[in-house]
Amino acid sequence: AQSVTQPDIHITVSEGASLELRCNYSYGATPYLFWYVQSPGQGLQLLLKYFSGDTLVQGIKGFEAEFKRSQSSFNLRKPSVHWSDAAEYFCAVGARFGNEKLTFGTGTRLTIIP
Amino acid sequence: DVKVTQSSRYLVKRTGEKVFLECVQDMDHENMFWYRQDPGLGLRLIYFSYDVKMKEKGDIPEGYSVSREKKERFSLILESASTNQTSMYLCASMNYRDRVKGEQYFGPGTRLTVT
Repeated sequence: AQSVTQPDIHITVSEGASLELRCNYSYGATPYLFWYVQSPGQGLQLLLKYFSGDTLVQGIKGFEAEFKRSQSSFNLRKPSVHWSDAAEYFCAVGARFGNEKLTFGTGTRLTIIP
Repeated sequence: DVKVTQSSRYLVKRTGEKVFLECVQDMDHENMFWYRQDPGLGLRLIYFSYDVKMKEKGDIPEGYSVSREKKERFSLILESASTNQTSMYLCASMNYRDRVKGEQYFGPGTRLTVT
């Protein structure tokens, strides 16, 4: 069965600083990988996704993520955070064949300080 | 834009009550999902449906049931609400033809409190 680990429960960064949120997955083959963001009081919104090809994927709002097979990781990055990036971020893994279900990590809450 | 709506943003119910949470999507998606979200546990799948009248248990189906009589509507039912079902409930939908893309569209959530 697939699983996802987000080791950081809460991260605080200064506005303008760079950001990296960690995600490790467990799956028997190359999975589909996703990052979702949940702003306060909102549902989840897809930031970016990896299926195949280029291991560095670009998403919305200036985010990117890199798939590293050797490390079973899919870390999310942003070079310069904005106060509006304060939210909760979820990494998710999906099976490659015939399984519509996603398995989500426990989330990382991001706080931005001025 | 895909829109997924949930009938209530906040709901307070008493222990033992039967509770209905409604979800409607407007994009003719085949797949629909119910999750609960709890601090430190992330999102956990309760049930999903891949067609009208079709359903499949997720990871935590105990204490819940679902109904999908129409394609656009997916209901989550708590037959006899208990305090441990106090949570945020999120509905999502996905186009089956795009299932390899895996993108699910989420509603805003219903925060249910059972007292």
